[in-house]
Amino acid sequence: KNEVEQSPQNLTAQEGEFITINCSYSVGISALHWLQQHPGGGIVSLFMLSSGKKKHGRLIATINIQEKHSSLHITASHPRDSAVYICAVSGGSQGNLIFGKGTKLSVKP
Amino acid sequence: DVKVTQSSRYLVKRTGEKVFLECVQDMDHENMFWYRQDPGLGLRLIYFSYDVKMKEKGDIPEGYSVSREKKERFSLILESASTNQTSMYLCASSPHRVGTEAFFGQGTRLTVV
Repeated sequence: KNEVEQSPQNLTAQEGEFITINCSYSVGISALHWLQQHPGGGIVSLFMLSSGKKKHGRLIATINIQEKHSSLHITASHPRDSAVYICAVSGGSQGNLIFGKGTKLSVKP
Repeated sequence: DVKVTQSSRYLVKRTGEKVFLECVQDMDHENMFWYRQDPGLGLRLIYFSYDVKMKEKGDIPEGYSVSREKKERFSLILESASTNQTSMYLCASSPHRVGTEAFFGQGTRLTVV
């Protein structure tokens, strides 16, 4: 069983829709990260959180430590949000991340 | 602005060649990582380093080695490239504290023919 599970694997939405991507983990963590990867490869860190909720523009990330679950929400989705969203957790003493397999989001105009 | 730079975006090498992938960070980070990313498998840790001249094996070190002679530079070496090493390679760095943000390079897509 993977230590970090994401759902769904693939997601297609219409522009303007509210989107939720889920992440569950089975290990103890010090922080959870949401990352974005556009076609072409580079990864950008969207959020790092260890409790509660964070918001940046149309993106909201929440985490429930007791349930070992996090969600990434995108409000008023736009085609430029199309990317792979990756959940990762850090808990090792050296700061290495354990990754989920990613959610490929496609937002249609 | 924080920066992790990988030396090549795209690379094509022949089977058996020795391949060097270079990564440089300008943030004075102690930790540096090499991952490979494959469809259906996600990102997997190859090697990491938490200090100059220090290295630790990750989950899939076979067929790879690394070098960290200077704090800002972390090199991934494929001693004898094979076709199953065709992949996207990503470098990352982070400060040497638990639970800190990681910064990624733009990735190198390596094809071994």
